[in-house]
Amino acid sequence: GAVVSQHPSRVICKSGTSVKIECRSLDFQATTMFWYRQFPKKSLMLMATSNEGSKATYEQGVEKDKFLINHASLTLSTLTVTSAHPEDSSFYICSATGSSTDTQYFGPGTRLTVL
Amino acid sequence: DQQVKQNSPSLSVQEGRISILNCDYTNSMFDYFLWYKKYPAEGPTFLISISSIKDKNEDGRFTVFLNKSAKHLSLHIVPSQPGDSAVYFCAASAVDSNYQLIWGAGTKLIIKP
Repeated sequence: GAVVSQHPSRVICKSGTSVKIECRSLDFQATTMFWYRQFPKKSLMLMATSNEGSKATYEQGVEKDKFLINHASLTLSTLTVTSAHPEDSSFYICSATGSSTDTQYFGPGTRLTVL
Repeated sequence: DQQVKQNSPSLSVQEGRISILNCDYTNSMFDYFLWYKKYPAEGPTFLISISSIKDKNEDGRFTVFLNKSAKHLSLHIVPSQPGDSAVYFCAASAVDSNYQLIWGAGTKLIIKP
């Protein structure tokens, strides 16, 4: 079955630094990838949608200059949190869909803690 | 290999009847399980969870059952309503896994009038 991985699983960084999170589809070509942020009540907020080779579409209220998304290949998307602040601390989850299915496969998530 | 499996890609249920969504897992280290509901173009919304020390958790119309020996959990929705039409994901985590969630592929629930 399709598997989506994320790296790192956990990262702790200092305020003001940038952090890159990778999302990979391991056995299928992900034409579309989604990035979510988990809030305290466990629901996931969609941050942005990215299609391979094109710019990401950000949801309202999500700063595109702060959360840089790159989807340069059909198996990899990256989310870079720039100039991280403590309020960016959260659980970030990606998901991916392929060209032949609209099933969405979720990654295991990355826990970001900004000190 | 997928550690969490939802073997039914879709399920159609009559309004007012019970919807039963199933999820199987292979990792015996999982100790916490969650169900999410997802509408198109939105993020998954948390529905209900269960810890491995329990075998049932109920919240309104939603009940989750956990059978640890069978490594199986199910979500019961009763009575089913049109607004329940969505994709349902189960997810699992283990206490030593940095709270990472391992997700099933989802089951699309369609409630018929």
